[in-house]
Amino acid sequence: EAGVAQSPRYKIIEKRQSVAFWCNPISGHATLYWYQQILGQGPKLLIQFQNNGVVDDSQLPKDRFSAERLKGVDSTLKIQPAKLEDSAVYLCASRLGQFMNTEAFFGQGTRLTVV
Amino acid sequence: QKEVEQDPGPLSVPEGAIVSLNCTYSNSAFQYFMWYRQYSRKGPELLMYTYSSGNKEDGRFTAQVDKSSKYISLFIRDSQPSDSATYLCAMSGPGGSYIPTFGRGTSLIVHP
Repeated sequence: EAGVAQSPRYKIIEKRQSVAFWCNPISGHATLYWYQQILGQGPKLLIQFQNNGVVDDSQLPKDRFSAERLKGVDSTLKIQPAKLEDSAVYLCASRLGQFMNTEAFFGQGTRLTVV
Repeated sequence: QKEVEQDPGPLSVPEGAIVSLNCTYSNSAFQYFMWYRQYSRKGPELLMYTYSSGNKEDGRFTAQVDKSSKYISLFIRDSQPSDSATYLCAMSGPGGSYIPTFGRGTSLIVHP
């Protein structure tokens, strides 16, 4: 079974530029999460999708971050414009169902550096 | 106060030692408790998942939950250099999305 795929693996941009990350979840997984992991901290949820609908985006900085999951499969996370404090690893995770009886699988993440 | 507190370490132990990793939490609504392992430059992977208070064992790993004290632990027996990683505790409550709330992780180094 293929895992959660993310690209790019690394990205360096200047502040005020825009950037987009892509995630392909495990086939058939209805639930998809985007997490932000700042160095030395645990992952923090940005947004959760159930199929192509948003379940929770309460911690997404909507003035600069946006995410979509068209057709309920792949997802993109965009930052525009980026700030220095956005430097982090952006993790995508997927889960078969929405509830705790199914494991969430994480991708390897996209490491973003904003200079 | 953060919902989930975890000492970042690093914790350095010799090979073969018993390792104890711990988290405390403040939200009494949490019902599901997880431990993830994260190797450098990799995503977290689920190690253990428990629902109730008490112990759960899986090979060299034992997860312990004490809901009355809001305290969870992960024990690793016969630690190996390959166990060197960051260990993240996570927990979630009832209700719609069961979104895990993570601790900051403890860096474990097992030296030969």
